Amino acid sequence: NAGVTQTPKFQVLKTGQSMTLQCAQDMNHEYMSWYRQDPGMGLRLIHYSVGAGITDQGEVPNGYNVSRSTTEDFPLRLLSAAPSQTSVYFCASSSLGQDRNEQFFGPGTRLTVL
Amino acid sequence: GENVEQHPSTLSVQEGDSAVIKCTYSDSASNYFPWYKQELGKGPQLIIDIRSNVGEKKDQRIAVTLNKTAKHFSLHITETQPEDSAVYFCAAISWGKLQFGAGTQVVVTP
Repeated sequence: NAGVTQTPKFQVLKTGQSMTLQCAQDMNHEYMSWYRQDPGMGLRLIHYSVGAGITDQGEVPNGYNVSRSTTEDFPLRLLSAAPSQTSVYFCASSSLGQDRNEQFFGPGTRLTVL
Repeated sequence: GENVEQHPSTLSVQEGDSAVIKCTYSDSASNYFPWYKQELGKGPQLIIDIRSNVGEKKDQRIAVTLNKTAKHFSLHITETQPEDSAVYFCAAISWGKLQFGAGTQVVVTP
């Protein structure tokens, strides 16, 4: 199993540009989520999904969109990038149910917005 | 919502000594407390977790303790080794979502 994969690893955008961060998992996990990591602030939840066709907002959703058309994929879209979105983005997945606990993280995407 | 505070933000220990990281949480309904280790350039990886019906859990050199009354939990690393150098995050589940602490940079010096 590849686990959780993310592309690209690095990206530089200009203010106002749009892009999609890709995330895929091959563990048949129902739950997928996106976090951003900023120095001194830990990981903050952006959006999450409990299954195909179902998404919801996390702690810091503004400026980001998500969709979940399949169990495997959970892309994160930046519609109009801003310098405040410069961060490292992590996708994670886990199974649902009472034992839904361990989240498996991807390797991250380092995004710089100029 | 849940608020998780983590201390210290940096921790430097001599190889072979113990390291302790402490976290507090605010939501009394939280029932699951994982600890993640993040090495440079990688995503966080679960190293140990504890549920609210357990007070202590140990896995080789790593142990976690939980005090539900005081709403705090701690990570203990004994006999530290250079490969323990990393950023450690505590977290608590609230309303099905993980809330992370700000992280602790642990540096183990030979």
